[in-house]
Amino acid sequence: SQTIHQWPATLVQPVGSPLSLECTVEGTSNPNLYWYRQAAGRGLQLLFYSVGIGQISSEVPQNLSASRPQDRQFILSSKKLLLSDSGFYLCAWSGSGNTGELFFGEGSRLTVL
Amino acid sequence: RKEVEQDPGPFNVPEGATVAFNCTYSNSASQSFFWYRQDCRKEPKLLMSVYSSGNEDGRFTAQLNRASQYISLLIRDSKLSDSATYLCVVNPRSGGSYIPTFGRGTSLIVHP
Repeated sequence: SQTIHQWPATLVQPVGSPLSLECTVEGTSNPNLYWYRQAAGRGLQLLFYSVGIGQISSEVPQNLSASRPQDRQFILSSKKLLLSDSGFYLCAWSGSGNTGELFFGEGSRLTVL
Repeated sequence: RKEVEQDPGPFNVPEGATVAFNCTYSNSASQSFFWYRQDCRKEPKLLMSVYSSGNEDGRFTAQLNRASQYISLLIRDSKLSDSATYLCVVNPRSGGSYIPTFGRGTSLIVHP
């Protein structure tokens, strides 16, 4: 069966510090991968999605970046965090041939102070 | 106009009540639709898919109206455990891939 792992679960970072969140999927190949952010009391905002290794599409311009160094690995990064980067970050995958149903990791809760 | 709109609620209902949520979408090319459930401080989880013919899963019924561009979720005989946020998801295609777009969610509180 397919599983998705995301870490770290919680982190508190100072403004200006770097960020790296990692997500891996097991039990499937060539998944579509997504990074979403959910700010407090807000909906899910799509940040990046990827349909293959090295292919990244950005939905929202900001100080975050994403990379997909391996088929089932998706990384979200920042060189310098802003206060506004605080939120709940969710990685998700979907099968490349299905109807768009998403499966989420458990999320990473980031607080920038 | 936002791509996917939902009434944020909260909907505060007693156990046993029937409650309905609607969601409207702006992209007429959207091809698939889902309802997700999100518990507080947790990741969203798929509740059910939504088809033009409607689909039912126990106490839950979802329907799609393509002409009016809205989807609905009906919950019958509400349980305390139904308390959560319900997210509407619409999937337009972009370059051969689906780009799931979420509504802000509707909060449901079921009380004794």
